Amino acid sequence: AQSVTQLGSHVSVSEGALVLLRCNYSSSVPPYLFWYVQYPNQGLQLLLKYTSAATLVKGINGFEAEFKKSETSFHLTKPSAHMSDAAEYFCAVSPSYSSASKIIFGSGTRLSIRP
Amino acid sequence: DTAVSQTPKYLVTQMGNDKSIKCEQNLGHDTMYWYKQDSKKFLKIMFSYNNKELIINETVPNRFSPKSPDKAHLNLHINSLELGDSAVYFCASSLGSGGQETQYFGPGTRLLVL
Repeated sequence: AQSVTQLGSHVSVSEGALVLLRCNYSSSVPPYLFWYVQYPNQGLQLLLKYTSAATLVKGINGFEAEFKKSETSFHLTKPSAHMSDAAEYFCAVSPSYSSASKIIFGSGTRLSIRP
Repeated sequence: DTAVSQTPKYLVTQMGNDKSIKCEQNLGHDTMYWYKQDSKKFLKIMFSYNNKELIINETVPNRFSPKSPDKAHLNLHINSLELGDSAVYFCASSLGSGGQETQYFGPGTRLLVL
């Protein structure tokens, strides 16, 4: 079984500051891991995903995440926050080795950016 | 040139009514999904179809019935609407059904049951 825990339902940072959104996963098989972003009143869109290639994954809009198996973590970072980064961020996990996988989403972290 | 579209965008209705939400994707994907997002933003999968065949059917009341007339369309019909059905319903699609696939989401249908 798979699960995802996002630490912190709300994170607030100043514009230009480091963004760090935390995600820990649990999976009985090697996982695929995702970060999706949801802007207000919109659907989700993929930021980045880990599919067992490089452990440091770069995504859109300057975000990146590092897969750390020993810590079962997949934290999302961005060196310098922009006002446009304000949104809801979802970490997600799905099992590899399955042809009909369902993705399990975390509860989301709302990112606010202070001017 | 919208990739995944849903209609209607907003739906306000009375308890006990029956309503449908339509979804269409023009990405040429084989797999489509329905998700429910509650007021706390928690997102849960309801159904998934691959090439018009149901492959994921979560524990959802049988008042909810998906239908996929072809690979590009996945509709959701809800009978006897209840207050607890109020949520945002998202349609999504992916190239295949494997766990590594990126899912592309529609803009959502905001359902309010009064």
